[in-house]
Amino acid sequence: SQELEQSPQSLIVQEGKNLTINCTSSKTLYGLYWYKQKYGEGLIFLMMLQKGGEEKSHEKITAKLDEKKQQSSLHITASQPSHAGIYLCGAAFNNDMRFGAGTRLTVKP
Amino acid sequence: DGGITQSPKYLFRKEGQNVTLSCEQNLNHDAMYWYRQDPGQGLRLIYYSQIVNDFQKGDIAEGYSVSREKKESFPLTVTSAQKNPTAFYLCASSIYSPQHNEQFFGPGTRLTVL
Repeated sequence: SQELEQSPQSLIVQEGKNLTINCTSSKTLYGLYWYKQKYGEGLIFLMMLQKGGEEKSHEKITAKLDEKKQQSSLHITASQPSHAGIYLCGAAFNNDMRFGAGTRLTVKP
Repeated sequence: DGGITQSPKYLFRKEGQNVTLSCEQNLNHDAMYWYRQDPGQGLRLIYYSQIVNDFQKGDIAEGYSVSREKKESFPLTVTSAQKNPTAFYLCASSIYSPQHNEQFFGPGTRLTVL
């Protein structure tokens, strides 16, 4: 998607390490969604951010939306093998949802 | 259990054949969506429907067709006109519009053209 740029494309970390995935838009985001996908499966909703400066956490995953509402980050603390998968950010533009290309995370035990 | 289902999980077809992918939801969602996912490209929107008997083209609608005769069902037909149909197809639904509500996804259908 040209509307949403994700970085990095892939990430390999050692178990226990922290990591950050970024999602950037050239337009103001009125709703930013983070999903996780295991290979060959559907997307699992993680979190939604709407307000500038908003931050949400679930277990060891924290997502933030910057004040300008054009960039979001997903931070995983003390990564575990269960965190492995593809992380996608999504946002609504007009009446449909657009997604970033995804970040493939590998966690080495 | 409420959810969204897709069938079949794997589908094989010969070139020149049309094939229909099923998507059913019992979440009472108004909006339904079809995406195509190719390696390294994320999700691309094929079609979406916000209400029964109405649907709109997404970014890559050519070679595909849909119908929305019932609120809970949104089947996708991959026609022989689709030049590169081998991909992973995902169906999703949401309450009304994606600005305020997350989309729920089905498990996907992997289509392979032989």
